Amino acid sequence: KQEVTQIPAALSVPEGENLVLNCSFTDSAIYNLQWFRQDPGKGLTSLLLIQSSQREQTSGRLNASLDKSSGRSTLYIAASQPGDSATYLCAVLNSNSGYALNFGKGTSLLVTP
Amino acid sequence: EAGVTQFPSHSVIEKGQTVTLRCDPISGHDNLYWYRRVMGKEIKFLLHFVKESKQDESGMPNNRFLAERTGGTYSTLKVQPAELEDSGVYFCASSHRRSNYGYTFGSGTRLTVV
Repeated sequence: KQEVTQIPAALSVPEGENLVLNCSFTDSAIYNLQWFRQDPGKGLTSLLLIQSSQREQTSGRLNASLDKSSGRSTLYIAASQPGDSATYLCAVLNSNSGYALNFGKGTSLLVTP
Repeated sequence: EAGVTQFPSHSVIEKGQTVTLRCDPISGHDNLYWYRRVMGKEIKFLLHFVKESKQDESGMPNNRFLAERTGGTYSTLKVQPAELEDSGVYFCASSHRRSNYGYTFGSGTRLTVV
């Protein structure tokens, strides 16, 4: 059974800092890994999708890496802004057990002006 | 393209009542999923449709939950009768192999059972 853990659970940083969110998973037989953002009372917005054969993906100030063999992914946010404040969720799609995403509990990020 | 649409956005019902949630996936997405997040827990898978067929319903909590996807378009999730522990946010998502099964989620339905 795939288990996804996100560290830290909460993070507060001043505006302008670079930061790293961590995600680990127990079963390396994955199809892809997706990072989402959730704003309070809103749905999930997909940020980055990394296929199992890829090492990283970049979008603007966001960079996600994947090390499948060690069961880890990181989401790097450069030059953080108050608008980045949200909950960030990591989700893994296994390659051997259907198409159900396995989610971590998320990291709640607060970027202060 | 239009995103995944869920209705209603909020629902407050009494214990024992019935509630039906609706999801309209992105047009052309054969895969439709229901997920749920209860307070303090991670988002959990409920079930997966491929077109109108249930591919995987291993996450459905019990037989008070019934999901349908008539004609392989929109889907409904009915809870009957609702219990207090059913409160949470119900998310719908869709995906297509063209996008390497990257998920697109709806905004969710916040269900409160009192």
